[in-house]
Amino acid sequence: GNSVTQMEGPVTLSEEAFLTINCTYTATGYPSLFWYVQYPGEGLQLLLKATKADDKGSNKGFEATYRKETTSFHLEKGSVQVSDSAVYFCALRGQGAQKLVFGQGTRLTINP
Amino acid sequence: GAVVSQHPSWVICKSGTSVKIECRSLDFQATTMFWYRQFPKQSLMLMATSNEGSKATYEQGVEKDKFLINHASLTLSTLTVTSAHPEDSSFYICSANPQGSSYNEQFFGPGTRLTVL
Repeated sequence: GNSVTQMEGPVTLSEEAFLTINCTYTATGYPSLFWYVQYPGEGLQLLLKATKADDKGSNKGFEATYRKETTSFHLEKGSVQVSDSAVYFCALRGQGAQKLVFGQGTRLTINP
Repeated sequence: GAVVSQHPSWVICKSGTSVKIECRSLDFQATTMFWYRQFPKQSLMLMATSNEGSKATYEQGVEKDKFLINHASLTLSTLTVTSAHPEDSSFYICSANPQGSSYNEQFFGPGTRLTVL
């Protein structure tokens, strides 16, 4: 079945550092890929998405590129801020499917 | 726009009692809603897919008689945990897919923390 594996946390960085959170997936066909963010005390929010190979999703300075050849969708940001502290989830929706499959989440803490 | 609410945000109950959790789409209609369970420091696990006016589709291993789902209107789905036990303590999250939109559009509620004593 479909699955998502993402980098284990927690991850702690200093403000303005470069961020990468790795995400790889297993799926048949052409899934849609997502990054969701969960800020403390809040629900999940869509951060970015990509629906076909080589698409790049971007939002709030975060980027991720759908790499079919490596089945990856790594999240990057060039300069993180304290306000980026949250839990980040990589997810996929299988081709033709309704439901989302989530990775285990990565807790990110940014120190001033 | 696209706000999903859950009620209550937290609940504590005694073992053996039943608890109902509501999920509402506040500014859109949702043909499909999803119920997830999230354990501490773990991922979201889909429990069931709820379609308005029809029976919910449960994931493998989820007891349908224990986790009753009702999606009676286009803005409300409810999850009832029947005869709750301590092992049912968890964070329950719903999401809603706006009517007529792609399944890539899912909006999440803030979650309900259930503690069973």
